[in-house]
Amino acid sequence: GENVEQHPSTLSVQEGDSAVIKCTYSDSASNYFPWYKQELGKRPQLIIDIRSNVGEKKDQRIAVTLNKTAKHFSLHITETQPEDSAVYFCAASMGNNRLAFGKGNQVVVIP
Amino acid sequence: EAQVTQNPRYLITVTGKKLTVTCSQNMNHEYMSWYRQDPGLGLRQIYYSMNVEVTDKGDVPEGYKVSRKEKRNFPLILESPSPNQTSLYFCASSLRPTTEAFFGQGTRLTVV
Repeated sequence: GENVEQHPSTLSVQEGDSAVIKCTYSDSASNYFPWYKQELGKRPQLIIDIRSNVGEKKDQRIAVTLNKTAKHFSLHITETQPEDSAVYFCAASMGNNRLAFGKGNQVVVIP
Repeated sequence: EAQVTQNPRYLITVTGKKLTVTCSQNMNHEYMSWYRQDPGLGLRQIYYSMNVEVTDKGDVPEGYKVSRKEKRNFPLILESPSPNQTSLYFCASSLRPTTEAFFGQGTRLTVV
């Protein structure tokens, strides 16, 4: 199966509501979990990351939670704004010095 | 300014004509990667390099070559491009695989 899976593939939310994207990973050795945001026509950029010794990390309106037992981590965006519309990629470090990305989630914030 | 620079930004070529996409970073990063991005498939790693003269295959290495003769440069070589290599390519660099990756601006390649 895939090293990193993301769900759902597309998410539409009303402006001001919260958005949650969940990723699952397969490699027990994974210890680094970043989230990248890619706006239309632009390059991916890191928005937040978490390491395996931490369960939750927050930065203003975004947060990431990690459940190592279940091998999943989630991105939470609160009080969504139109500029949050983008594709979001999760990733997980692999034991062989690689970084595996999920397929991405299209988030659409409806004004 | 810290950056990763790819060239060219856009390239249209014919099947079988060898091409090179250059990537250069000015952050003294050890780890560099090449990804291709296709609709519905996300970012797939082609090759990565842990340091000078150390390269390894990613998820989709077939049809590609790389080299890392200098720390700052990591060119992607397509010896005999085929239409299924039409894609958006990104180079990225970071201190290590477990630190923030900085992406280049992307190269949109079309092979006809």
